Amino acid sequence: NAGVTQTPKFQVLKTGQSMTLQCAQDMNHNSMYWYRQDPGMGLRLIYYSASEGTTDKGEVPNGYNVSRLNKREFSLRLESAAPSQTSVYFCASSEIYSSYSGNTIYFGEGSWLTVV
Amino acid sequence: QKEVEQDPGPLSVPEGAIVSLNCTYSNSAFQYFMWYRQYSRKGPELLMYTYSSGNKEDGRFTAQVDKSSKYISLFIRDSQPSDSATYLCAMRGLTGTASKLTFGTGTRLQVTL
Repeated sequence: NAGVTQTPKFQVLKTGQSMTLQCAQDMNHNSMYWYRQDPGMGLRLIYYSASEGTTDKGEVPNGYNVSRLNKREFSLRLESAAPSQTSVYFCASSEIYSSYSGNTIYFGEGSWLTVV
Repeated sequence: QKEVEQDPGPLSVPEGAIVSLNCTYSNSAFQYFMWYRQYSRKGPELLMYTYSSGNKEDGRFTAQVDKSSKYISLFIRDSQPSDSATYLCAMRGLTGTASKLTFGTGTRLQVTL
């Protein structure tokens, strides 16, 4: 029972390099999310996809792009990495994007990204 | 000022102690309140979820919401070393900008033998 799987787990990038974080969920969820977690800042939403075929900006989208490849997969791309993007990135999914329920969000195990 | 404030800790307690973890918030539109537990090098996992005011109990864990004071708490009874983790509060409203799930920064808890 994999849940939310994200790769890679660790990555070191040089400033200006690009990379893509991959995420897949096997729970048949409609909604998927990318968060970053920084000390003293908590979890902040970068982008989300309420349903297959849609993507929307979250709280901190600058410097990132996303692709909802299909219902299972949601990738996050850093086109030109900057040291400010050093963070832990979490992919997450939920059955629906709704406030009208408990709507549990399930998180992956995280990707540690360092930009030097 | 952040919408959700949470003491970062660390909070260190002996095994068997009662632990109280707290968050305050400023947005009166928040209706759903959650507590997530995050072990080191892992993703957050949902621990408790409550709607509006009141208490909810699940085993050793009790979540309490006081909307009049904009204050939520998580109590852990008979704390165990396995409870050592970071606890994140999260909350959301029904519509508009409040419908976005907003997290606290987390409180790190250490339960010692």
